[in-house]
Parts: sequence; structure tokens; C-alpha cells
Amino acid sequence: SQTIHQWPATLVQPVGSPLSLECTVEGTSNPNLYWYRQAAGRGLQLLFYSVGIGQISSEVPQNLSASRPQDRQFILSSKKLLLSDSGFYLCAWSWEGSSYNSPLHFGNGTRLTVT
Amino acid sequence: KNQVEQSPQSLIILEGKNCTLQCNYTVSPFSNLRWYKQDTGRGPVSLTIMTFSENTKSNGRYTATLDADTKQSSLHITASQLSDSASYICVVTSRNYEKLTFGTGTRLTIIP
Repeated sequence: SQTIHQWPATLVQPVGSPLSLECTVEGTSNPNLYWYRQAAGRGLQLLFYSVGIGQISSEVPQNLSASRPQDRQFILSSKKLLLSDSGFYLCAWSWEGSSYNSPLHFGNGTRLTVT
Repeated sequence: KNQVEQSPQSLIILEGKNCTLQCNYTVSPFSNLRWYKQDTGRGPVSLTIMTFSENTKSNGRYTATLDADTKQSSLHITASQLSDSASYICVVTSRNYEKLTFGTGTRLTIIP
């Protein structure tokens, strides 16, 4: 069976500090990988998605970047955090190829608070 | 602009009662609609998916309906349990580049 791990679960960082959130998937090969942000009262916002190693697509220009150094590893980073980066970050995977009927499988998220 | 609107924003019901959550969308061209359940502090989990030709689909005590003509969906929960307390998110997929549009969710609280 497939599992997705995301850490840390919570994080409090000062403004201007760097960020690194990590996500790994087990039990599948070449998954599509996603980073979402969920703000209170708003729908999930797609930040980045990847269909393969080194292939990253950005949906929203912002203070964040993503990398996929290995097939089942997805990293969300920032060089300098802003207050507006606070939120609930979710990593997800889906089966490679067409995702019309393929659900997203989410990790348990990271609650990031920038102070 | 593709949009998904859910109602009500929040709902409180007694354990054992039934409830219905609503989802209206303007996503076009339509591919499918999925309902997710999100427990507090956790990631969403898929409950059911509905494609254009499907009107009703059940998953245990959860029954989803879809009216593709009026672009409306509902999620009916029967004989609610305390574990049903969660946010329920409606997500519509467009055939254009498989774009997903998320609703803001309905926060359901079941009280004993």
C-alpha cells in the first residue's frame, strides 16, 4: 500500500528565516506530487506540482520554491519567510498520467506560523 | 472564472440525525466532482467521485448526488456519528489541463 509522510507537523519560524518542508511517498513509483496551501476560510491553493524528478511547475508566483531531488521526495523551501507565508501546507500525490479520475492522497500537513 | 461554492459554511447537528451539504460549481468543461473529508489538523481524504453520467453514489452512510444540468451536488450523511465531525470539501475537475477547483468547505460538528 502507498503512504505519504510529511514533516514537521508544526513549525514556528521568525520572519526572514529560511524554510524547508519535506514530503516523501512510499509504495509507488513516479507519482505526481503536489504542494498545496490552505488558508482559513479559503479553498486549497495549488502552489507547485511535479510529474517527475527535477520537473516543477509553479502555479502562483511567490516567496516559495519546490524541488524534487528524488522520485518520491518533494521539498518546499523559502529563503526568507514572510508573515503572509503562515498557513497549513499539504503535500499530496496522485497516480502518474491522467488524473481525471485519480484522487489526491494528502499528507497530514504542516502548520506553519511565521512570527 | 471557475468557482465552487459550498453551503452552509458550518453546521451543527445532533448525533444520529441526517444532514445534507451543498456544492454549486461553475467549472467548465466538467470532468468530475469529488467530495473530501478533512479531520481537524489532517489532510483531506477522498469520499466519493462523480462523473458526468452519474447521478448518485454511496459510500457507507455518505451519499453524493450530482445534477450536471444545474451544476449542483450534494452530500447526504445518514445517522450521523461523532466521527463525522470534520470539514467536507467539494472539488471539481475541469477537462482543461485537469485543473482542480476547491470549495472552501463545510465545517460539520456532531454533538452528542
